[in-house]
Amino acid sequence: KNEVEQSPQNLTAQEGEFITINCSYSVGISALHWLQQHPGGGIVSLFMLSSGKKKHGRLIATINIQEKHSSLHITASHPRDSAVYICAGFIYNFNKFYFGSGTKLNVKP
Amino acid sequence: GAVVSQHPSRVICKSGTSVKIECRSLDFQATTMFWYRQFPKQSLMLMATSNEGSKATYEQGVEKDKFLINHASLTLSTLTVTSAHPEDSSFYICSARDATHPTANYEQYFGPGTRLTVT
Repeated sequence: KNEVEQSPQNLTAQEGEFITINCSYSVGISALHWLQQHPGGGIVSLFMLSSGKKKHGRLIATINIQEKHSSLHITASHPRDSAVYICAGFIYNFNKFYFGSGTKLNVKP
Repeated sequence: GAVVSQHPSRVICKSGTSVKIECRSLDFQATTMFWYRQFPKQSLMLMATSNEGSKATYEQGVEKDKFLINHASLTLSTLTVTSAHPEDSSFYICSARDATHPTANYEQYFGPGTRLTVT
């Protein structure tokens, strides 16, 4: 079992839909990162969370430390949001990331 | 925001040659840089952790003589794939920790990646 589990693995949505990607982790992390990887490979760091909730444009990320769970929400989804979204837990003492397997999102026009 | 660059973005080389990939933090000091490898449709796999001025720490199964890492300054780390073989073809990504940010412990920024093809 991976230390960081994501669901779903694949997600297809219609433009405008509200999207949720979930991430659960079993290790004691220092911070939880949400990353976006577009076709072609480049990775963009969307959020870093250690508690609560963060919002950037149409993206919202939440984390529940007690439940070891984080969600990434996309409001009013758009085809340009199509990408792989990866959650990653960082453990400061180990100086190491634990990556989820990624969620491939396809938003259809 | 903080930016990490990688050069080159793509490289094709012949089997047996060596290839150097650079990772630079453009507007912050990075005491620690990480090198990852990503196979198609898989997540990132940590290869090594590079600390400025000291030897890199390699993950189990990663050949340190094949993947040479140098972190000579606070803004530059290099990964050299020596005597490259077709099986080394992959997407290599670096990330850097911002040592100057108020929450410096956890902020990390990823480079855009380098696609290596060995023919």
